[in-house]
Amino acid sequence: AQSVTQPDIHITVSEGASLELRCNYSYGATPYLFWYVQSPGQGLQLLLKYFSGDTLVQGIKGFEAEFKRSQSSFNLRKPSVHWSDAAEYFCAVGPASTGNQFYFGTGTSLTVIP
Amino acid sequence: GAVVSQHPSWVICKSGTSVKIECRSLDFQATTMFWYRQFPKQSLMLMATSNEGSKATYEQGVEKDKFLINHASLTLSTLTVTSAHPEDSSFYICSASLVIAKNIQYFGAGTRLSVL
Repeated sequence: AQSVTQPDIHITVSEGASLELRCNYSYGATPYLFWYVQSPGQGLQLLLKYFSGDTLVQGIKGFEAEFKRSQSSFNLRKPSVHWSDAAEYFCAVGPASTGNQFYFGTGTSLTVIP
Repeated sequence: GAVVSQHPSWVICKSGTSVKIECRSLDFQATTMFWYRQFPKQSLMLMATSNEGSKATYEQGVEKDKFLINHASLTLSTLTVTSAHPEDSSFYICSASLVIAKNIQYFGAGTRLSVL
């Protein structure tokens, strides 16, 4: 069965500290992987995506993520967090062959302490 | 590019009335649009997949007569919540995928529905 797990419901970091948000997936075929960010009361903004090739992908706002097939993981990282990064982060997996069913994790809420 | 506009952003209605939510792709054509529902502090739940010119495909447990979806053009899909009740209060989000890049979904800003 397809699923996405984000083990950390809530993470608090100090501004300027590094960040890693975990994402593990279970998918029966070659997955496309995504990270989205959602500010309160807003829709989702695409941070980055992995389709193929280099397993370390760069996204917007200084985020990066690394795909590790052996661990079925796609963790999101940022070397230095800014207060404006406080938001909800969702990992998602989608099919490589068509543009349909996405599976979302339950999200990780990030709080940034000044 | 790839902007999805969703309107209204917030709607309050009386129980028993119907509410229409619009989802537009502003600068691209979207063969497929998706409608999600999100409860507070929870993830997105896919309600239905909407393809231009054809009937929407609803996920299990979603009442198609309750949540009417129309996708009349490549840039517009609408979700109508019919005979809304307080339990329909939620955050509804649409997304659209490009004709030429079907594997990426771009999301609208969402609509908060409050049914009194």
